[in-house]
This record gives sequence, C-alpha cells and structure tokens, in this order.
Amino acid sequence: NAGVTQTPKFRVLKTGQSMTLLCAQDMNHEYMYWYRQDPGMGLRLIHYSVGEGTTAKGEVPDGYNVSRLKKQNFLLGLESAAPSQTSVYFCASSYPSETQYFGPGTRLLVL
Amino acid sequence: KQEVTQIPAALSVPEGENLVLNCSFTDSAIYNLQWFRQDPGKGLTSLLLIQSSQREQTSGRLNASLDKSSGRSTLYIAASQPGDSATYLCAVRVSSGSARQLTFGSGTQLTVLP
Repeated sequence: NAGVTQTPKFRVLKTGQSMTLLCAQDMNHEYMYWYRQDPGMGLRLIHYSVGEGTTAKGEVPDGYNVSRLKKQNFLLGLESAAPSQTSVYFCASSYPSETQYFGPGTRLLVL
Repeated sequence: KQEVTQIPAALSVPEGENLVLNCSFTDSAIYNLQWFRQDPGKGLTSLLLIQSSQREQTSGRLNASLDKSSGRSTLYIAASQPGDSATYLCAVRVSSGSARQLTFGSGTQLTVLP
C-alpha cells in the first residue's frame, strides 16, 4: 500500500516548456487535489476532482490544466511554464475518509 | 474569503518543554479544522481533526482545541522532543460542500533543541 505517490520528484524547465505531473493513489479515494506551496505561504489549491472524469478549479488555477481519466490517477499539466510557477506541488486524496492524504511533493524550477 | 493565520512563524524551545501553537481563522462558519505536520522536503501528515461540534481532540502527547466563536485553535504538545521538530500547519474546511476544500495557514516551524 504505497498511499499517494508523485512523479517526478524534481524537474527543471525552461520558460515556455510544457510538462505533466502525475499523481497516483491506491486507497480507492474519490477526491483528489493539486496544491502548490510557496515559501512563507500555506498550501493553495490549484484544481481538484470529486470523481473519475470530473475536475474543478481551485483558488489558483490559471496556467494549469488537469485530467482524471482513471480514479487512481490525477494529472496536472503546465502548457507553457513561467518562472512564477516555480514551486513545490503536492497531490492529496480523500473520501470517504475526512482526512486528506498527501504525496511527497514535486519540486519544480522554471528558469 | 476565509483566511487562516499562524503566529509565530518560527518557534524554538528546549527539549522537555510543553508548548502551544496557535491558529486563527476569520470566518467562524467552518466544518472542521485539521492540524498537519510537515517534515523538511516531505509531504503533509495529518495529526488531528476536530469537527465543528467538538471542543478538542487528543492523540498521545498532542491535544488540539477549537473555539469556533473566537476563530481560534491551539495545538498543545506535551514534553517536547527533538523528533517533534517540523513545520505544523492548520487547515480549515470552509463548508459542508462536496469537495471538502481546505484553507491552510502558512505554518509554524518548530525546533526542539536537545
């Protein structure tokens, strides 16, 4: 039982490049979330999903897209990376448990 | 818009001391509040969850309290140990909506000195 896993762990991009972050959970959770964490700030919700095939915008969705084609996977895409997207990205899952379970994070540096 | 504040941003204490971490929120209409622990370079781990109808929750040396009317929660750590060194974040669920969205504070970085 791996819980929530994230791929990759670290990535360096140049401005304008694209990439996809993968989140996988093996707890059969319905809800999944993508957050970003910046220095001195709490986590901010980017997008979330309440079930396979559904997605919705969170607090800071601009510049990101998501897809949830399979219940266990939640993908976060950056179509044209910008330096402002340098951050640590966390995926989480929940439900029916009230608690959100977090992955280890992906560190992204955009030059 | 719900805002969550944690003061101080950093705290350093000697081993064995009892300590209190503070969390305040602007909108008292919360569904629940959670305390998380984050170790350097790691993800978040849930410590305690308090429902809006509860006043406190306990787990081992940790005790979390909630006062909705004043918009405050505290995390009490008894007999602190160096292994307690981490960043502690609180988060509130703002409604009973289906997405269970959380609003996070920026955290308190705790260092317990041996």
